[in-house]
This record gives sequence, structure tokens and C-alpha cells, in this order.
Amino acid sequence: DSGVTQTPKHLITATGQRVTLRCSPRSGDLSVYWYQQSLDQGLQFLIQYYNGEERAKGNILERFSAQQFPDLHSELNLSSLELGDSALYFCASSVGQGANWWTGELFFGEGSRLTVL
Amino acid sequence: DAKTTQPTSMDCAEGRAANLPCNHSTISGNEYVYWYRQIHSQGPQYIIHGLKNNETNEMASLIITEDRKSSTLILPHATLRDTAVYYCIENTGTASKLTFGTGTRLQVTL
Repeated sequence: DSGVTQTPKHLITATGQRVTLRCSPRSGDLSVYWYQQSLDQGLQFLIQYYNGEERAKGNILERFSAQQFPDLHSELNLSSLELGDSALYFCASSVGQGANWWTGELFFGEGSRLTVL
Repeated sequence: DAKTTQPTSMDCAEGRAANLPCNHSTISGNEYVYWYRQIHSQGPQYIIHGLKNNETNEMASLIITEDRKSSTLILPHATLRDTAVYYCIENTGTASKLTFGTGTRLQVTL
């Protein structure tokens, strides 16, 4: 158990819909990262927040948005869903802005599996 | 984009050492080599990291060549539970993200 909690674990929805994925980081971790993993793309970095502020953005679509709240949990919002958005979405956390420098570790949750029909 | 090169797949017999190579010929002086693994759709798990010295922990050993252009992750006594995709990643340790490549799919067999 990494200490990172993601909900829901599974989600099935239809094209055009909007969903919200939630992530609770490890206690004390200030950084939250979102990754997308689809069958043909591997793990793709989407976005990072540090203590409520966006710090890095990767290949995140304009239809997707995220935020980190004062209690440090984060939400990833996916709208106007398309079939190609079906994927595993992982959240990870770390203490600082990067990986924990003293361990090099990002702590990943178990993911939210999104299926768009 | 990932700058490391790893074999697509490897096999290892249970109980034997698994040696997973990684080439990172363009690694910068301040970049560490990190290893993560992902067991069948679970969240990636940190294994080990190093800068230039060899490192060992309870999970694995990391051997980095003197020129730092390549490294080898060693699982000393592989078990079936070590079957996973192993990712070798360069990172400064303070950068905002880890960039995962395609990794090496390790299959441990009886």
C-alpha cells in the first residue's frame, strides 16, 4: 500500500460525458502528479501540482483539467469524453516538487480505470 | 521523451538472478538513474536509484558503469512475483516529472 488513494477504481461512461477522478496523496506529500496509461501509449505524464499550484504540464488535452485543493487532494476532470480516453489514470505523490530526492520515489496509487463506450 | 534504451523483453528462471540492462548514453552529470516496475496494471513501484556509485537495497542492486552511460538492475533471486515491466528513467531528482519509456517486460518462469 503506497498510501495514495484513488477513487473510483473503475468507471464506465459514455462518449460526450464528463467524469471526475479523485486522488488523496500520502499524508504530508505536497506534490501530486497525474499520469495516463492507455494500451498503446504507455505511461504519459499529464500534469503536476505542488501545494495547490500547477507546476508542470505534459500531454494533457484541453478537455482535461485538474486542481489541487487546500487539503492537498487532487481531482482530474475529463470532459467531452471520447473512446480514446479509455485508459488507466494514475495519481502519484511526493514530498517536494520532484521525486523525493533522498529516495527518488514517487508513490503511485492503484489507478482509476476509465472505460468510455 | 524518454532518453533511455531497454530491451523489450527478457526471461528469467525463478531463483536465478535477473539482470536488466539500460543504456543512457546522453545522461547529464546531475541526472540520477531511477528504476521503477509495474506489475500488471498496478501503480508503478519505485525500486532503486543511483547517481554514479553502485547501490543496493532490499529489493535490488544497481550497477552503474564508470562512464555512466549504462546501468544494470539486478534482482538477485527472481521470483514469480517479480514478473513485471521494469522502467529505467533519467531524472535530476528535482524535476517535476518522471518520463516513462516502454520498459523491459521481465517474465520469471518456473
